[in-house]
Amino acid sequence: ETGVTQSPTHLIKTRGQQVTLRCSSQSGHNTVSWYQQALGQGPQFIFQYYREEENGRGNFPPRFSGLQFPNYSSELNVNALELDDSALYLCASSWTGGLGDTQYFGPGTRLTVL
Amino acid sequence: QKEVEQDPGPLSVPEGAIVSLNCTYSNSAFQYFMWYRQYSRKGPELLMYTYSSGNKEDGRFTAQVDKSSKYISLFIRDSQPSDSATYLCAMGGEGSNYQLIWGAGTKLIIKP
Repeated sequence: ETGVTQSPTHLIKTRGQQVTLRCSSQSGHNTVSWYQQALGQGPQFIFQYYREEENGRGNFPPRFSGLQFPNYSSELNVNALELDDSALYLCASSWTGGLGDTQYFGPGTRLTVL
Repeated sequence: QKEVEQDPGPLSVPEGAIVSLNCTYSNSAFQYFMWYRQYSRKGPELLMYTYSSGNKEDGRFTAQVDKSSKYISLFIRDSQPSDSATYLCAMGGEGSNYQLIWGAGTKLIIKP
């Protein structure tokens, strides 16, 4: 078991709504990364935060935004939900965020958009 | 064509068999290569990490990277039912702006 937790476990929203997903990183980890994993696919990198600043972003539109707080918690916000946003959202924490640094994943939040 | 290709399976083998899982990739600038295991309703867990090329062994697991062929492999010896999971390859480097690019995952089933 990693020390990374996510809430809620499951969420159902309607197209056009907004959603906030939460992650609690392992204590001491300065970096949190968020991924979207569609059914039957590998995770896709959304963005990474290092010490509360965005430190890299994947090919996702600006309606995907995030925050990282000093207490090792973070949020992923998605505005104007679309049907294709239905997926498992994973957060992963690590010390530095470098590719050679082990990422510890949470169990994910399953988002369904109707 | 995807940057990282991985056969989704499922791959079903009897307990005790040697399992071979593979990924191919197209970006020659990748230097970091990982294998993750994901159980149902869980997040991925790092199994093996290799920088650049070569082999790495950890217990029953061996990871191989062949950069000339742009091909990576994960071997599992003496496979156990508890190894049943989805195995994801992930890789990256300068060519991906140091972001991880993931395969779609291979579902592995070990039959007792």
